[in-house]
Parts: sequence; structure tokens; C-alpha cells
Amino acid sequence: NAGVTQTPKFQVLKTGQSMTLQCAQDMNHNSMYWYRQDPGMGLRLIYYSASEGTTDKGEVPNGYNVSRLNKREFSLRLESAAPSQTSVYFCASSDPRRGRGDEQFFGPGTRLTVL
Amino acid sequence: RKEVEQDPGPFNVPEGATVAFNCTYSNSASQSFFWYRQDCRKEPKLLMSVYSSGNEDGRFTAQLNRASQYISLLIRDSKLSDSATYLCVVVGGSYIPTFGRGTSLIVHP
Repeated sequence: NAGVTQTPKFQVLKTGQSMTLQCAQDMNHNSMYWYRQDPGMGLRLIYYSASEGTTDKGEVPNGYNVSRLNKREFSLRLESAAPSQTSVYFCASSDPRRGRGDEQFFGPGTRLTVL
Repeated sequence: RKEVEQDPGPFNVPEGATVAFNCTYSNSASQSFFWYRQDCRKEPKLLMSVYSSGNEDGRFTAQLNRASQYISLLIRDSKLSDSATYLCVVVGGSYIPTFGRGTSLIVHP
């Protein structure tokens, strides 16, 4: 099992460029998440998908869009990158059961710099 | 008030020391609690879940105090390899996890 994989690992963009971050999991998890992590800020939820076919905004969704392509894949798109989106992006998956949260498994992260 | 709060540290301790971190949360309806460990420039990984009765895993002990709305992590006999950032995670009724900003631990020889 590869767990959660993310591509690319590193990316440099110019302001205004677009790109899509890819995430896939092979654990048959229902829920998937996109976070960003900035120094001193902890992990902040951008979007999540509780199950295939559904997506919802998290704490910091502005400037991002997501697609839950199927149960395995959850992509994050930056339509017009801005320097404020320079960050480390983590994808995660979990299988929360009714009445409790559950362990999240994280991908290795994508380090994005917007110039 | 932030939903999940942690002292960012750093906690700088010698090998063999005992160190404790607290994490407070604001949502009294929170249902699940976790401690994650994050090494520099790596992804977070689950360290342990936190149960109402408390739980212990080797040198690590986690406790939950619902009345005061905090969870704690105690590390005994600290090792150099324990140096990392420890993230507190609280899950509410929507099953969406909320992360604290993390507490940095540095264990020195």
C-alpha cells in the first residue's frame, strides 16, 4: 500500500499562473482533505470531501477549487496563483465512522512557491 | 478564541527529562481527540488517540479532561528522537478535525 500520494513534491509558479495538485489514496477511505501549513499557523483546512461526489469548504477556501474525481482521488486547483498561496499543502484521508473521528493519513506534501 | 490552542514552545529539555504539553479546546461537543507528531518538513503522523479514561503507550501518556476542556501529553525519559512538533487535534460533531498550531519539543544531550 502506498497510502496517500501527492504530486508534485515541489512547484514554483509565477503570480497568475494556474496549477492542479494531485492526491490519491489506496486505503478505500471515504473522506479526503486538503490542508495548507504556514509557519506558526498550524494546519488549516482548505476543502474536504466527506464521500465521493461531495465537497465542502473548510477554513480557508478562497482562491482554491477542488474535485473529488472518484473515491481514490481528490485534486486541488489554484486558478490564479498569488504570493499569499505560498505554502506547504498536505492531502489527507480518513474513514470516520459515525459517532467518532478517526486517524488521518497524510501525504508527503507539496511545497509551493508563488513568485 | 481559537478553537484549539497550544503553547508553541519550544520546550527545550535534556535527555531523560519528563515533559508535558497541554492543549485546550473551545467546543464542548467535541468527540474525538488525538496527538500527532510532525518532524521537520515532513507530514504529520498519528502518535496516539486520547480516550476519556486516558491511555498510555510506552513512554507516552495522554489524558482528557472534559470538564476543563483540555487534553495533555506526557513524555517520560525523553530521547533525542522525540524532538519534533506535537500537534493536538480535536474532532467535533461534524467529524472535521481541527488542528492546534503545534508545540515544538527539542531534546538535547
